[in-house]
Amino acid sequence: EPEVTQTPSHQVTQMGQEVILRCVPISNHLYFYWYRQILGQKVEFLVSFYNNEISEKSEIFDDQFSVERPDGSNFTLKIRSTKLEDSAMYFCASSPSGLGGTDTQYFGPGTRLTVL
Amino acid sequence: AQKITQTQPGMFVQEKEAVTLDCTYDTSDPSYGLFWYKQPSSGEMIFLIYQGSYDQQNATEGRYSLNFQKARKSANLVISASQLGDSAMYFCAMREGRDNYGQNFVFGPGTRLSVLP
Repeated sequence: EPEVTQTPSHQVTQMGQEVILRCVPISNHLYFYWYRQILGQKVEFLVSFYNNEISEKSEIFDDQFSVERPDGSNFTLKIRSTKLEDSAMYFCASSPSGLGGTDTQYFGPGTRLTVL
Repeated sequence: AQKITQTQPGMFVQEKEAVTLDCTYDTSDPSYGLFWYKQPSSGEMIFLIYQGSYDQQNATEGRYSLNFQKARKSANLVISASQLGDSAMYFCAMREGRDNYGQNFVFGPGTRLSVLP
């Protein structure tokens, strides 16, 4: 069964450094998402991406963040100048389409980011 | 206002018994989807079950069923014949239909289920 994959599973970085989190969505899916989950808290939406552009983003997704689909398979989240409060689990998700309220999003296993 | 409410921060159930995890939601959109995800201690998010706002019947997937009461805006997850491996955090999520593309989920705070041997 196809699945969303994410690398690395755990990333440790120093405050102020840039990190890139990588995701490979399910191959025939068209919509891609990033979420984050601070330890012990609920999952929060960051951004959705369709047709090579951002379609929605939350208040969390400020200028520190960017997303890119550099080729036909990868979907990346870049965090510039990381802060301690960026420490969280970051989930990538994909869905076949994005229309209506019926589309299931499939999540990757997550990347645990630790900022020291 | 919270869009998704899960009033049970923690639940215990005896192995082989059934358990109901509560979820209520708030939306004015007639088109929406409700989802349940399981998050074991390893951290991944596993899709369990989906219910569409226009679905006439309650969704079922193996041991999981969704008790959908549209008028009450509730979408409770029922797990039958609990197994030790069901111990995890369970999140209810909603996705509202919109005219534009690119939609996102709103997650509830989660319920931690512990299955006792």
